Amino acid sequence: NAGVTQTPKFQVLKTGQSMTLQCAQDMNHEYMSWYRQDPGMGLRLIHYSVGAGITDQGEVPNGYNVSRSTTEDFPLRLLSAAPSQTSVYFCASSMAGGRSPLHFGNGTRLTVT
Amino acid sequence: GQQLNQSPQSMFIQEGEDVSMNCTSSSIFNTWLWYKQDPGEGPVLLIALYKAGELTSNGRLTAQFGITRKDSFLNISASIPSDVGIYFCAGQLTGNTPLVFGKGTRLSVIA
Repeated sequence: NAGVTQTPKFQVLKTGQSMTLQCAQDMNHEYMSWYRQDPGMGLRLIHYSVGAGITDQGEVPNGYNVSRSTTEDFPLRLLSAAPSQTSVYFCASSMAGGRSPLHFGNGTRLTVT
Repeated sequence: GQQLNQSPQSMFIQEGEDVSMNCTSSSIFNTWLWYKQDPGEGPVLLIALYKAGELTSNGRLTAQFGITRKDSFLNISASIPSDVGIYFCAGQLTGNTPLVFGKGTRLSVIA
């Protein structure tokens, strides 16, 4: 049971570099989302998608891009990393609508120096 | 945006004690969820509540969906060392709207 798979687990970037955090799920879930977790701030929603080809902004979308070309994958792109983006990033998925709680990946710990 | 107030922020308890934490909101939700996060891992669902007034148990865990739809609580009975972690509440208005998370309660259990 793979569930939600995030890669890489750890990443260090220099300010201004770009990178893509990968997220894949094998549960045929329509809904996928990205959260960032910072100490004392809980989980804050960055972007989400209710299906292939559809994305929307969450609470803290600035500095991040997403796309959803397939049901399985939902990559998160940082075009020009900033130290304020140092955080732990979680991808989560669920069935759309009805009683389907989120399933989380194990996170990517990103440090921007 | 919507916010959930989760309390307490942290708790230090003796093994065997009962634990209670709660979440309140200024707006209503139609679903309340409780998650637990172990160090280095993603949150894992503990209990899901879908009906106002609902009381649901999962082993030593009991959670309730408040009648006003604006609050929920989680109780853990007879705590054990593996209960250590961060507990998050989350509310959802409809099945297609994003979850809103509380800031978490960090639980430490002293053996």
